[in-house]
Amino acid sequence: QVQLKESGPGLVAPSQSLSITCTVSGFSLTSYDINWIRQPPGKGLEWLGVIWTGGGTNYNSAFMSRLSISKDNSKSQVFLKMNSLQTDDTAIYYCVRDSLLAYWGQGTLVTVSA
Amino acid sequence: DIQMTQTTSSLSASLGDRVTISCRASQDINTYLSWYQQKPDGTVKLLIYHTSRLHSGVPSRFSGSGSGTDYSLTISNLEQEDIATYFCQQGNTLPWTFGGGTKLEIK
Repeated sequence: QVQLKESGPGLVAPSQSLSITCTVSGFSLTSYDINWIRQPPGKGLEWLGVIWTGGGTNYNSAFMSRLSISKDNSKSQVFLKMNSLQTDDTAIYYCVRDSLLAYWGQGTLVTVSA
Repeated sequence: DIQMTQTTSSLSASLGDRVTISCRASQDINTYLSWYQQKPDGTVKLLIYHTSRLHSGVPSRFSGSGSGTDYSLTISNLEQEDIATYFCQQGNTLPWTFGGGTKLEIK
């Protein structure tokens, strides 16, 4: 059974950094890419970036300067790190399997506030 | 970036109705168009990929069509569990981009 689960801090202060872990089960990270997508409250979906099976990454140019995605295949975990958060980074952050975006985690809400 | 437009932000229909949701891309996306369903609790599921291919486990009342820049999702015989927001997404060119969503409500 394919499962993805995000775990994040919940609350981040402005200008600080965000770290979220996506733990997967039911498949291997050596066989499937993982995307990160976010959704601000009441708004649409925004693709942040992807880490490919081989470890290479592609990022949305809007976030490239402050976004990093990495993974640990042996632990079945993918990591998102975003720097210099502002209030408009408040969103639900999802990790999503493969280029078809076929399976989504439940999402983790990150609120940027002092 | 390719812009995806869903001109209808909300739609009201009756149970049993046939509903069509439209999506337009800013350029030809070669049928690399997917549809997603987001429930009120935030759960997101893939319904259709490559314009018309049904994802595993998706009921056959969902169907998709289109080509070039214009695509649509049709739900036949609307059921209560179909109440959700529907997003289109292009998978032709990075960055993947999404339409703004169409919220489906029961009349």
